[in-house]
Amino acid sequence: DAKTTQPNSMESNEEEPVHLPCNHSTISGTDYIHWYRQLPSQGPEYVIHGLTSNVNNRMASLAIAEDRKSSTLILHRATLRDAAVYYCILRDLGGSNYKLTFGKGTLLTVNP
Amino acid sequence: NAGVMQNPRHLVRRRGQEARLRCSPMKGHSHVYWYRQLPEEGLKFMVYLQKENIIDESGMPKERFSAEFPKEGPSILRIQQVVRGDSAAYFCASSRQGTNEKLFFGSGTQLSVL
Repeated sequence: DAKTTQPNSMESNEEEPVHLPCNHSTISGTDYIHWYRQLPSQGPEYVIHGLTSNVNNRMASLAIAEDRKSSTLILHRATLRDAAVYYCILRDLGGSNYKLTFGKGTLLTVNP
Repeated sequence: NAGVMQNPRHLVRRRGQEARLRCSPMKGHSHVYWYRQLPEEGLKFMVYLQKENIIDESGMPKERFSAEFPKEGPSILRIQQVVRGDSAAYFCASSRQGTNEKLFFGSGTQLSVL
């Protein structure tokens, strides 16, 4: 899997939007961009994924740059329950794309 | 629809004992993945199994570790003769298919070796 770069940590206030960046300058044309998060003492949880177009679901939005070398996970209104480590992962359509390769992720702290 | 079930939630073993970690995938899922998370480290892939088959064990230590996913029953991750360095959180995930499907993770088993 191609490498991604994320900030080690970010801080937000409750009920404010949060923009979590991810750089993936070596992304290939068949790489999907996946986001997972891990709450304290829990297993990772799927958040969202996309290929080229921006994506929205009930949890978050994913904004993908036109050249696909970066993306941003957007939490529209952060809550205390959103405090977690957020992982940006590239997954190839073909080949050994069955496994996720986790980096260090971004630790998001949400202040009340 | 129950999620991925892992048990036990916490497991304490003395050095030299065996640890057996169990994972029941979500209903309808036939693909299972095991990950290990050492203290203050990220999640590392260990093994990927389909029913009765090991597809990829590239992340498994060469000795003492084994995994199975029988036709009936849960997937088992077995660690023989545990050492202190095996202390970690072990997570299981499942998916319906193997190709680019999202993975559903269990809450993990925290193994502590005394």
